[in-house]
Amino acid sequence: GAVVSQHPSWVICKSGTSVKIECRSLDFQATTMFWYRQFPKQSLMLMATSNEGSKATYEQGVEKDKFLINHASLTLSTLTVTSAHPEDSSFYICSAHPITGFGYTFGSGTRLTVV
Amino acid sequence: AQRVTQPEKLLSVFKGAPVELKCNYSYSGSPELFWYVQYSRQRLQLLLRHISRESIKGFTADLNKGETSFHLKKPFAQEEDSAMYYCALSGQDTGNQFYFGTGTSLTVIP
Repeated sequence: GAVVSQHPSWVICKSGTSVKIECRSLDFQATTMFWYRQFPKQSLMLMATSNEGSKATYEQGVEKDKFLINHASLTLSTLTVTSAHPEDSSFYICSAHPITGFGYTFGSGTRLTVV
Repeated sequence: AQRVTQPEKLLSVFKGAPVELKCNYSYSGSPELFWYVQYSRQRLQLLLRHISRESIKGFTADLNKGETSFHLKKPFAQEEDSAMYYCALSGQDTGNQFYFGTGTSLTVIP
């Protein structure tokens, strides 16, 4: 079945540094990938929709200059948390929808801890 | 606007007892409803989608348009069912975007 690989699975970084999270569709092409964030005891919240070859669409309240999304190819989208702060500590998860067929596949998520 | 509501954040049942995880939705068109499950330290994975009308791991869910509900049910809970369950909605006017409920943490007591 369709597999989405998300890397790293966990990362600890110092406040003020930037962290890049990769989301790869391993055996299918995805024109659209989604980035979600989950705070403890809360639901997944959509941050942005990443479209291959174009600018990402951000949800209201999500800072596009802080959460940089690049979808350079049909199999890779990256989320860069710039100048991370402790309040950015969260679980980030991506999902991808294949060009053909049905189904939404999720990455395994990235636990970001900013100290 | 809140599209998916899961009223129970925590639910505990004894092994072998029936379990029902509630999900209500708000959507004007024809929605697609899903249940996702997240076991401890594992990825979120699709459990059910209403259009397939299938039973996975003994779980079933029926879309009730009159009550705008998509409750997840299992007649006999097992310990391995302990997990976080998310109800999600997608529809034609949402593109490929999902709206998730806040999740219900199910604990099956041995």
